[in-house]
Order: sequence, then structure tokens, then C-alpha cells
Amino acid sequence: EPEVTQTPSHQVTQMGQEVILRCVPISNHLYFYWYRQILGQKVEFLVSFYNNEISEKSEIFDDQFSVERPDGSNFTLKIRSTKLEDSAMYFCASSELGGEGDTQYFGPGTRLTVL
Amino acid sequence: GESVGLHLPTLSVQEGDNSIINCAYSNSASDYFIWYKQESGKGPQFIIDIRSNMDKRQGQRVTVLLNKTVKHLSLQIAATQPGDSAVYFCAENSAGNFNKFYFGSGTKLNVKP
Repeated sequence: EPEVTQTPSHQVTQMGQEVILRCVPISNHLYFYWYRQILGQKVEFLVSFYNNEISEKSEIFDDQFSVERPDGSNFTLKIRSTKLEDSAMYFCASSELGGEGDTQYFGPGTRLTVL
Repeated sequence: GESVGLHLPTLSVQEGDNSIINCAYSNSASDYFIWYKQESGKGPQFIIDIRSNMDKRQGQRVTVLLNKTVKHLSLQIAATQPGDSAVYFCAENSAGNFNKFYFGSGTKLNVKP
């Protein structure tokens, strides 16, 4: 069964450093998403992406964050200058068509630790 | 933003019993809801969804009930099994924000053998 994959599984970085989290969505999916989950807290929507542009973003997704689909298979989340409070699990998801009724499939997540 | 929350942080049930997990939402414009299951070390997994024009939807061993009057959503799991042990989240979105979901804080379900 096709699945969303994410690398690395765990990323440790120093505060102020840039990090890039990588995702490979399911191959025939057109909509891509990033979520984060701070330890012990709820899953929070960050951004959705379609047709090489952001379709929606949350208030969390500020200028420090960017997303890119650099090629036909990868979808990346970049944090330019990490802060301690960026430490969280980051989940990538993809869906075939987007919108109501279209299931989002989640990857296993990348645990980001900012020291 | 909209508020989606859960009544019980932890629920323990005996194997074979039925489980009921509850969720409250505050945005009356919410019109689409999903229940996710999250096992330790994994991403959320879709279980079942329901639109606001329905009040009940059944899947395999799971039923979702929606009460729009009191803005309440529940997930019923029949004959709970050890493999059902996980954290369960409800999530919602509203028309015009089809790809932007708000998640509840989660309920941990422990199934005792």
C-alpha cells in the first residue's frame, strides 16, 4: 500500500540554524500538507500546498517557514532560523484531490529538537 | 481560531467492551469532521468522517455520531481490541477552508486484556 514517507525521523539542531524536513507524498496525490505536534499537545495545521503554491496557511506559518516541491516527488518544509519553541513532531500529509471527503494520509513524522 | 476539544484525556476499557470517545467543537460553521487514530510513534490515521448534513455514520466496528445542536461529536468503537489502543483525535474544517483542519487535543484509549 502506498504511503507517505518522511526524512529524517529525528533532527537535532542548534537554535538559529536552518532545517529542512523532507517528505515524499503518495505519488498520484496532488495536495500536500504540513502539520506539527508539540509534545503532549494537539496536532496543528501549518500549510497546504497545491499546484506549486500555498493554498492555505495558519497563523503559525510565518516568514520563518517555507515549503517547496523541488522535484516531482519531494515536498519540503524549511525553517530558516529555528527557535526552541519549534521543537515538535512535524507531520507531512497528502491527499489525492483535496477538499471535503478526501482523505489525508499522514507520514510517520520527523521529530525536531532545537537546542 | 476555532476550538475543538475533547472531554476525557484518558479512557480505559476492557477488551471486548464498547468504547465511546467524545469531542466538542465551538465553530457552528464547521461542516466536516474526521476521527483520527494515532499510535505511538506514528502519524494520524484516518478512521471515519462525517458531514454536517448527517448525524450518524457507520464503518467497520466504528460509528461516528454528530449532534450539531450541542456541537458534539462522538466515536464509538464496538468490541474494543488491544490493537485499538491509541490516541484518538477529532478534527474539523468548515466550508471555504477545505484543506485546513483543526484538531482536538486527543483522548488516549487503553484497552485492558
